[in-house]
Amino acid sequence: QQQVKQSPQSLIVQKGGIPIINCAYENTAFDYFPWYQQFPGKGPALLIAIRPDVSEKKEGRFTISFNKSAKQFSLHIMDSQPGDSATYFCAASMTSGTYKYIFGTGTRLKVLA
Amino acid sequence: NAGVMQNPRHLVRRRGQEARLRCSPMKGHSHVYWYRQLPEEGLKFMVYLQKENIIDESGMPKERFSAEFPKEGPSILRIQQVVRGDSAAYFCASASGRNTEAFFGQGTRLTVV
Repeated sequence: QQQVKQSPQSLIVQKGGIPIINCAYENTAFDYFPWYQQFPGKGPALLIAIRPDVSEKKEGRFTISFNKSAKQFSLHIMDSQPGDSATYFCAASMTSGTYKYIFGTGTRLKVLA
Repeated sequence: NAGVMQNPRHLVRRRGQEARLRCSPMKGHSHVYWYRQLPEEGLKFMVYLQKENIIDESGMPKERFSAEFPKEGPSILRIQQVVRGDSAAYFCASASGRNTEAFFGQGTRLTVV
């Protein structure tokens, strides 16, 4: 029940395409869902995050869609660029406690020039 | 995340030796989280500490691993008698409070030979 399932494991898109990465969770106590971007040899960096009281959030070219009833959320990257090539992790936590995150297994995205 | 400093960035230890990983949180942050990332996997929570206190160590292996965050100085993750399976990237994240966003450091990559 503590798992966050992430798919696909890897993704290749052409420049300008819209990669979509999906995550699903079981624990309804989760109330904070961030997405992290990680480049090789670097630490994860927060991209965008959402709480269950909204169904969509946009920041620049990144959009999170959230479906509370299905317990699913997804990341969309608009007009993707080669510089977006990285590994993306979704995560979940219960902020009534701490920011202890349960991470998904990651999606390795490659954007072709 | 450049504000969270981890050292060393790379650490090589022979089996049976001790590994000490250091994490200096961002200025003003008194909360530290440690995560472990095995190759090709997501990050797994290990321990959450505040100054001089371990708050949640539910992700720590029962043996050989310990963590501290003293009143002065960095947080230390200590692994005694390392084995090959301890080879991983270890990340710390710091936060200013219990319910505030945590920022990740660049990690320490431990290789056990």
